[in-house]
Amino acid sequence: NAGVTQTPKFQVLKTGQSMTLQCAQDMNHEYMSWYRQDPGMGLRLIHYSVGAGITDQGEVPNGYNVSRSTTEDFPLRLLSAAPSQTSVYFCASSYGRPNTEAFFGQGTRLTVV
Amino acid sequence: AQTVTQSQPEMSVQEAETVTLSCTYDTSENNYYLFWYKQPPSRQMILVIRQEAYKQQNATENRFSVNFQKAAKSFSLKISDSQLGDTAMYFCAFMTPPNFGNEKLTFGTGTRLTIIP
Repeated sequence: NAGVTQTPKFQVLKTGQSMTLQCAQDMNHEYMSWYRQDPGMGLRLIHYSVGAGITDQGEVPNGYNVSRSTTEDFPLRLLSAAPSQTSVYFCASSYGRPNTEAFFGQGTRLTVV
Repeated sequence: AQTVTQSQPEMSVQEAETVTLSCTYDTSENNYYLFWYKQPPSRQMILVIRQEAYKQQNATENRFSVNFQKAAKSFSLKISDSQLGDTAMYFCAFMTPPNFGNEKLTFGTGTRLTIIP
């Protein structure tokens, strides 16, 4: 079982560059989300999706775009990278039912210089 | 908006001892879910235990148990017979009952737990 797969695991970007963090899950989960983890701040929700074609903003959406064209994939796009976006990014997925576990990917460590 | 507070940034305990990690939260909701996640050095987020607010009984999972005090909005994690593999960052998390799924977890800032041999 692959579970939730994030690529790449590490990335260094220059300020102003754009890139896409990939997230794929093979559990047929309806719900997917992106979090960023910063020291001393826990995980904060960036964007989430409750199904293909449906996305919404979380707590810290600025500078990020998402789309959900298939159930399996939920890419996160950085439009113009800034040093403030240096962070560890996690993708998570779960079934659309209460009391079900959220499964997390291994994370992507992104550094913007 | 819901908030989750973990007031202990770091803790350490001797192997085989018991340790309790604190978590408080703030919400106006009556029904919700609470979670403890473990993040070892591998960075993987692992669900340790969950509690449903409408259940009076405290959740237990082997050596892990919680003390859920709904009126006090407190949700502490007790680890018994601590093991070296318990060394990790521990996050408390909150979720209001879905209209949808688990997509909106609110996390605390974490407690870094070190088990000393």
